[in-house]
Amino acid sequence: QQNVQQSPESLIVPEGARTSLNCTFSDSASQYFWWYRQHSGKAPKALMSIFSNGEKEEGRFTIHLNKASLHFSLHIRDSQPSDSALYLCAVTVMRGANTGKLTFGHGTILRVHP
Amino acid sequence: DAGVTQTPRHEVAEKGQTIILKCEPVSGHNDLFWYRQTKIQGLELLSYFRSKSLMEDGGAFKDRFKAEMLNSSFSTLKIQPTEPKDSAVYLCASSLGADAEQFFGPGTRLTVL
Repeated sequence: QQNVQQSPESLIVPEGARTSLNCTFSDSASQYFWWYRQHSGKAPKALMSIFSNGEKEEGRFTIHLNKASLHFSLHIRDSQPSDSALYLCAVTVMRGANTGKLTFGHGTILRVHP
Repeated sequence: DAGVTQTPRHEVAEKGQTIILKCEPVSGHNDLFWYRQTKIQGLELLSYFRSKSLMEDGGAFKDRFKAEMLNSSFSTLKIQPTEPKDSAVYLCASSLGADAEQFFGPGTRLTVL
C-alpha cells in the first residue's frame, strides 16, 4: 500500500521568498510524480509533473526527483500572494491492479503574505 | 471543450437517505476517478474506472458506496444509506491515461444531518 507523506503541513512566507515543499513515497515501483495546487473553494489542478530522476523547471516552479531516496520536492522562486493555496503531491504506481492509481499526500498549506 | 462537470454542487441529506452524485468526464478521456476530500483525511480514492471497467472499488468504502460508469460520458456515485461522517466534498476527475494529468470537476459538497 503506497504511503505518501508531505512536509511541512503548513508554511507562511513573505512575498518574494523561495519556498520548498517536500514529498516522500514508499513504493519503489512509483513512476509518475505530480504536484497539484488547490486554491480555496476550487478543484485541484495539476501544476507540474516529472517522470525521471533529476530536475524540471517551468517558470518560477522547479520539481526535483530522487527515486533512490523516495523523495521529490517543489520549489517556488519569488513566491507571490497568488501562490497561496493547498499543494498536493501525488504518485502513480504502474504495477498490476494498481496501475494508473494516483495516491495523494495530505497537502501543504502555503500562505504568501505581501 | 468542456471540463469535468458535476451535479449537484451542494446536497443536504438526512441520515439514512440515498443520494446519487453525477459526473460527466472530459470527452475522450478513458479514466474516471471518484474522490472524497475532508480536512482530516485529505483526498481519498473511492473508485476508479478505466475504459468503463471498474479497477478500484473503494476498499473500506465499498459497503455503502457504489460507483457506476453507465457509458463513457457519464458516471454516478451512490451513497446508501448516508451517515453524518459522509459529510465531505466529493470530487470526480478524468484523464487520458495513467501518465496523464487528472482534470477535476468543481465537486459536490455533501452535508448529512
